[in-house]
Amino acid sequence: SQTIHQWPATLVQPVGSPLSLECTVEGTSNPNLYWYRQAAGRGLQLLFYSVGIGQISSEVPQNLSASRPQDRQFILSSKKLLLSDSGFYLCAWMRLAGGSGANVLTFGAGSRLTVL
Amino acid sequence: KQEVTQIPAALSVPEGENLVLNCSFTDSAIYNLQWFRQDPGKGLTSLLLIQSSQREQTSGRLNASLDKSSGRSTLYIAASQPGDSATYLCAVGSLDYGQNFVFGPGTRLSVLP
Repeated sequence: SQTIHQWPATLVQPVGSPLSLECTVEGTSNPNLYWYRQAAGRGLQLLFYSVGIGQISSEVPQNLSASRPQDRQFILSSKKLLLSDSGFYLCAWMRLAGGSGANVLTFGAGSRLTVL
Repeated sequence: KQEVTQIPAALSVPEGENLVLNCSFTDSAIYNLQWFRQDPGKGLTSLLLIQSSQREQTSGRLNASLDKSSGRSTLYIAASQPGDSATYLCAVGSLDYGQNFVFGPGTRLSVLP
């Protein structure tokens, strides 16, 4: 079965510090991978998605970046955090091939970031 | 650009009631629609996925319908229970949005014992 791991679960960072959130998927190959952000009282905002190793598409201009160094690993980074980066970050994956479970977007447990 | 709305924003019902949550989208060129549940401080759990060629999907006490021509989907919850209390989000897979989903803002449901 497929599982998705996301860490850290919670972190508190000062303004201007770097950020690294990691997401890994097990039990599948060549998944689409996604980073979403959910700010307090707001809906889910797609930040980045990836259809393969090294292929990153950005949906929203910001001081965040994403990388996919391996097929099932997706990393969200920042060199200098802003107060506005606070939020709940969610990683998700999707398999496009046919059969049961195809096109189902599956989320990790999330990482709550507070920037002070 | 695809836009997704959900009505109502919040709903409070007594235990045992049947209820309907609504999701509307502006562009009918979708390839699927997915309903999720989110508990406070947690990730999203997939409830039902409806492909564009389908009109409804059922899982236990949940039934989701899709009417592409009118840009609407409904999530029907039968015999609601306090454990159903959560935020429910719909997400639309749009053909003009690549392999991505556009999410609605969610409906916050409280089922009172």
